[in-house]
Amino acid sequence: DVKVTQSSRYLVKRTGEKVFLECVQDMDHENMFWYRQDPGLGLRLIYFSYDVKMKEKGDIPEGYSVSREKKERFSLILESASTNQTSMYLCASSLTSGRDNEQFFGPGTRLTVL
Amino acid sequence: GENVEQHPSTLSVQEGDSAVIKCTYSDSASNYFPWYKQELGKRPQLIIDIRSNVGEKKDQRIAVTLNKTAKHFSLHITETQPEDSAVYFCAANDMRFGAGTRLTVKP
Repeated sequence: DVKVTQSSRYLVKRTGEKVFLECVQDMDHENMFWYRQDPGLGLRLIYFSYDVKMKEKGDIPEGYSVSREKKERFSLILESASTNQTSMYLCASSLTSGRDNEQFFGPGTRLTVL
Repeated sequence: GENVEQHPSTLSVQEGDSAVIKCTYSDSASNYFPWYKQELGKRPQLIIDIRSNVGEKKDQRIAVTLNKTAKHFSLHITETQPEDSAVYFCAANDMRFGAGTRLTVKP
């Protein structure tokens, strides 16, 4: 049973703070993804990674960076949080490289930036 | 890059009726089309998927059809039940999602 966990379910930060969201998967998946979910906008891809130390920009990377130092962990970093980054953040992983794989999602982190 | 559009954004049906959600995509090279269900407060989970070499796939009360020529695919839920109430997302390949459809099944 695949488990994808995220470090926090709820997080409240102040404008300008540096924020770290952590995601860990325990099934040796190659691919990991970060999305944000906003009402009416669905799941928008921020960054993804097909391998350790590899990262690719998604559709909305501005204001974010990522780190993948180990295969099981993919971190999303908000260098200087802003109120428009208040959102639900979902991490996901999938088994192999290639673009036809089921994604397994974490429970999400609801981030509020004040 | 790939662009996925999903309609309708909300859908309300009576229990026992059918529900249909439609998606279109832009990249003719896309070859994998999954559907995810997200219940309130929970994470999205795959419910059915289809690959481009297949026109239709069925799993009990849910089915997906794919028209590669027109670049659209649809989710069909028959004999809807209240527990089908959720947000449904389509996707093209493994990381471009539609905006979601909130399905409400009224008992």
